[in-house]
Amino acid sequence: GQQLNQSPQSMFIQEGEDVSMNCTSSSIFNTWLWYKQDPGEGPVLLIALYKAGELTSNGRLTAQFGITRKDSFLNISASIPSDVGIYFCAGLGIKGGATNKLIFGTGTLLAVQP
Amino acid sequence: GAVVSQHPSRVICKSGTSVKIECRSLDFQATTMFWYRQFPKQSLMLMATSNEGSKATYEQGVEKDKFLINHASLTLSTLTVTSAHPEDSSFYICSGLASYEQYFGPGTRLTVT
Repeated sequence: GQQLNQSPQSMFIQEGEDVSMNCTSSSIFNTWLWYKQDPGEGPVLLIALYKAGELTSNGRLTAQFGITRKDSFLNISASIPSDVGIYFCAGLGIKGGATNKLIFGTGTLLAVQP
Repeated sequence: GAVVSQHPSRVICKSGTSVKIECRSLDFQATTMFWYRQFPKQSLMLMATSNEGSKATYEQGVEKDKFLINHASLTLSTLTVTSAHPEDSSFYICSGLASYEQYFGPGTRLTVT
């Protein structure tokens, strides 16, 4: 199945550091989403982006929907231990495809050392 | 936010048996639910789209006769893994569609011995 390319694959940082991860696709999407998944749990929505160029914040998280609608980034500022988990980007409504089908990125594993 | 539950959370079964996993939307009606499979250290891969009252739509490469989906009500979809084999061992996650957003269940860990 199709996946979005996400980088980096993993990050090991110190508490308090800022984090940046990004997601790219060869296809255009109508909506970009960022999820966090804890071990043994389902993903939880962090941020949703609906317009090309949109920059949205949710607390310490900031995400942007690329102008071309083929990429997005997520920044986490002042990381804390509970930020540990796997972060997934997801594209919704691929151009020419089903409007409600989510395609997930490959994931970024974040480890935060206190 | 909307809540989705799954049952069971973990199941171990013997090779050749069938296993049913339930996905329920607890505080909203979901005419559409999705089933995903996630292998260790990998991403979520969509298996099928489940529509209430109609047949599920399966993704390419997913056997519809092996992964039976039933969406008999607006709050319940079930996934039955028939004649399970060790390679079917995985984390199965469902989601319910509400107001154009998908809300995910907590997942079901299936281990086939």
